[in-house]
Amino acid sequence: GAGVSQSPSNKVTEKGKDVELRCDPISGHTALYWYRQSLGQGLEFLIYFQGNSAPDKSGLPSDRFSAERTGGSVSTLTIQRTQQEDSAVYLCASSVTDRYSGNTIYFGEGSWLTVV
Amino acid sequence: AQKITQTQPGMFVQEKEAVTLDCTYDTSDPSYGLFWYKQPSSGEMIFLIYQGSYDQQNATEGRYSLNFQKARKSANLVISASQLGDSAMYFCAMKSLSGSARQLTFGSGTQLTVLP
Repeated sequence: GAGVSQSPSNKVTEKGKDVELRCDPISGHTALYWYRQSLGQGLEFLIYFQGNSAPDKSGLPSDRFSAERTGGSVSTLTIQRTQQEDSAVYLCASSVTDRYSGNTIYFGEGSWLTVV
Repeated sequence: AQKITQTQPGMFVQEKEAVTLDCTYDTSDPSYGLFWYKQPSSGEMIFLIYQGSYDQQNATEGRYSLNFQKARKSANLVISASQLGDSAMYFCAMKSLSGSARQLTFGSGTQLTVLP
């Protein structure tokens, strides 16, 4: 597709259930980012992938959060045993390359997660 | 560590007038990139403009220009001839181009309202 694609766009889940959020970056983009945005707040970095390098997981808030990127393209963010404080918009972004570059980072429309 | 500060939680501007959104930053990296994003109520993050720390000229993109003052560590966004559709949340962000951290660091945002 033309832009970063995320699914589902909206997800309501019960506390304690696991959820998976998917991100399909722009074709050819080697760098992929996950951010979280709580209501009325700024963006919180979660995790970053660059090519075949080990991901930067420094932003993951707890071990209930994990992410993988298969084949250097699609990424899945998994939240286990969801809590109400996990309710937020989860934004995925990608860029052509990251290394020593200021290449524009493009965002998807986000996955709105509500934990009830 | 990088830090972005946006001191204006909310701004109002009359339609067709210009408005400046403030952004200051702090970093020890010698090379970095500065970004502005627009987030309308729909939630999508829309890239507006980019400035590299070594760029000699201020960046411009249509009605958007970035007033980059490196010595003051400021990267203010100027929107000329405001339109009603410019009403949105605006985020300033930066990324290291030379350090180990690759993620975008965001400010807390400024909510801009354009008045008819």
